[in-house]
Amino acid sequence: SSELTQPPSVSVSPGQTARITCSGDALAKQYVHWYQQKPGQAPVMIIYKDTERPSWIPGRFSASSSGTTVTLTVTGVQAEDEADYYCQSAGPNNAVFGGGTKLTVL
Amino acid sequence: QVLLQESGPGLVKPSQPLSLSCSVSGGFIGGLDYYWSWIRQSPGKGLEWIGYVYYTGSAYYNPSLESRVTISVDASKRHFSLELTSVTAADTAIYYCARAHVGDFTGFYFDFWGRGTLLTVAS
Repeated sequence: SSELTQPPSVSVSPGQTARITCSGDALAKQYVHWYQQKPGQAPVMIIYKDTERPSWIPGRFSASSSGTTVTLTVTGVQAEDEADYYCQSAGPNNAVFGGGTKLTVL
Repeated sequence: QVLLQESGPGLVKPSQPLSLSCSVSGGFIGGLDYYWSWIRQSPGKGLEWIGYVYYTGSAYYNPSLESRVTISVDASKRHFSLELTSVTAADTAIYYCARAHVGDFTGFYFDFWGRGTLLTVAS
């Protein structure tokens, strides 16, 4: 794995759409997974294998992939979505996280 | 539902070794599709993967920590452990244990996490 780059912050108003990108050369060959972390809590996986969403994660969370950039989209942002979001990728025997993006709901 | 619970000393003196344990319930630690992992988060910072161990005992580590880290597993006792030697203040962090899911794809993702345990390095 190599470095993953995320924007430090994204701000949107309630009901709008938030997009958080994750970029890295390794993403052309490796899957990206996304985690949500609220203050004082452990991270929670919200997207795996680029675009797959666990059944218990709300449908407003989705992701898309294009080349070396993956985008997490939150459609119809709610106040409860305010959190830090981390992308992660892994090779056979190592893993790397992006620096994290703080999503602020205005 | 897989539950992971970290335990550790809370406070370690500089240059001393630290040892953390993670107990696993609700899941089979010997499963073929899982690695058992440690991840840490320094105060106010991002996530850093430390390493993982397979149920066979095979382990892989973050190259930046490899010289100081050992992760081991005791499947019969349903727990795995982290040892980190020669700690400094830079090792102060919340340490999470997590299950890494592998499968018919390259790489892995962390599908279940413990709540984390804060480890402070101070004299």
